[in-house]
Amino acid sequence: AQSVTQLGSHVSVSEGALVLLRCNYSSSVPPYLFWYVQYPNQGLQLLLKYTTGATLVKGINGFEAEFKKSETSFHLTKPSAHMSDAAEYFCAVTLYDKVIFGPGTSLSVIP
Amino acid sequence: DTEVTQTPKHLVMGMTNKKSLKCEQHMGHRAMYWYKQKAKKPPELMFVYSYEKLSINESVPSRFSPECPNSSLLNLHLHALQPEDSALYLCASSQEPLSEGETQYFGPGTRLLVL
Repeated sequence: AQSVTQLGSHVSVSEGALVLLRCNYSSSVPPYLFWYVQYPNQGLQLLLKYTTGATLVKGINGFEAEFKKSETSFHLTKPSAHMSDAAEYFCAVTLYDKVIFGPGTSLSVIP
Repeated sequence: DTEVTQTPKHLVMGMTNKKSLKCEQHMGHRAMYWYKQKAKKPPELMFVYSYEKLSINESVPSRFSPECPNSSLLNLHLHALQPEDSALYLCASSQEPLSEGETQYFGPGTRLLVL
């Protein structure tokens, strides 16, 4: 069965530091991969997605993610954290007709 | 315009009440979704409508009743809910039913409290 894991339910970084949020999926077929961000009391906003082609995907707000088939990973990075990046981040995969969300990682940014 | 709107933003209802949640999109999307999200958890899929027809029902209790009156509108009718149904209810839409990397666009959600 398709599943998504996100290592670390909570990640804290200092303002200006590198952000790294981990996502691994299990699938015998490469899925379509997404990162969503959810700010408090809001819906989910798409940060970026991988379908086919270039494995390094650039998204909004300075985020990017790299698809590594050999590691079944799709980790999210940002070179320099801002206070406004504090939010819940969900990795998701689509296979056939459903989206499978990971459990989420809560990102805190320390001034 | 990539906006999905949901009304109301907040809803408080008793266990004997009947209420409805509304979702609207004007992007010409042909698939619409209802999700339930508990605090600090990922969204859980409830229903999927494809081309105005119910295509997926994730074994949701009958006290939740979806309706798709037209291609732009999605309702969720609520009746005799339980306190454990309190959650954020998210609506989403996509250009086509999910395949080939379709993106879902989410609304801001309705926060429901059942007393």
